[in-house]
Amino acid sequence: ETGVTQTPRHLVMGMTNKKSLKCEQHLGHNAMYWYKQSAKKPLELMFVYNFKEQTENNSVPSRFSPECPNSSHLFLHLHTLQPEDSALYLCASSQRGRLAGGIQETQYFGPGTRLLVL
Amino acid sequence: AQSVTQLDSHVSVSEGTPVLLRCNYSSSYSPSLFWYVQHPNKGLQLLLKYTSAATLVKGINGFEAEFKKSETSFHLTKPSAHMSDAAEYFCVVSEGGQGSTLGRLYFGRGTQLTVWP
Repeated sequence: ETGVTQTPRHLVMGMTNKKSLKCEQHLGHNAMYWYKQSAKKPLELMFVYNFKEQTENNSVPSRFSPECPNSSHLFLHLHTLQPEDSALYLCASSQRGRLAGGIQETQYFGPGTRLLVL
Repeated sequence: AQSVTQLDSHVSVSEGTPVLLRCNYSSSYSPSLFWYVQHPNKGLQLLLKYTSAATLVKGINGFEAEFKKSETSFHLTKPSAHMSDAAEYFCVVSEGGQGSTLGRLYFGRGTQLTVWP
């Protein structure tokens, strides 16, 4: 497989369940991201991992727990979610670098996991 | 501070007619700018990007965008729409600046493009 893959593509869970979303990038990148896309809202950045270290947590509730065991894999562990957490969860990766005068970085996105919390 | 405004939430065109999706941005530093497209139930696909080289940027599927610093705009155009262009389009700005190590993306709210036969 190429690019960024995400599994599962669809997930239905109850509020008491525990589940995990998986993301894998085959691009040799050193940074990975979780985004949440809800209807009628801009994409929300949730977490950033740079060289496997979490560098940003954008005030995400603790019921979302990320894990990055290596630079190619990223997980999002879910527990005791709420119905308002239903959304499309997108994973992305990029190669962080620096060009003269600034940063050039392109993020490549996976297809997303459509999550429904009942 | 960085922000992105997509001026139209919905654009409808007939097949074969030109497409214009408007985007204005604000940025404290020299920005990188992107357009992404999202087809139904799919992830975001990069259409094109501007990174301080040529101001007219050509992307995939016949799309192009022009960076106009004086107008702080980065409008997306295509001469002739195709049915397969129907999707949601996102304008995105990335932080830049000398010494910055951030590459955070700021997304617009999206423009839904409908193409009529």
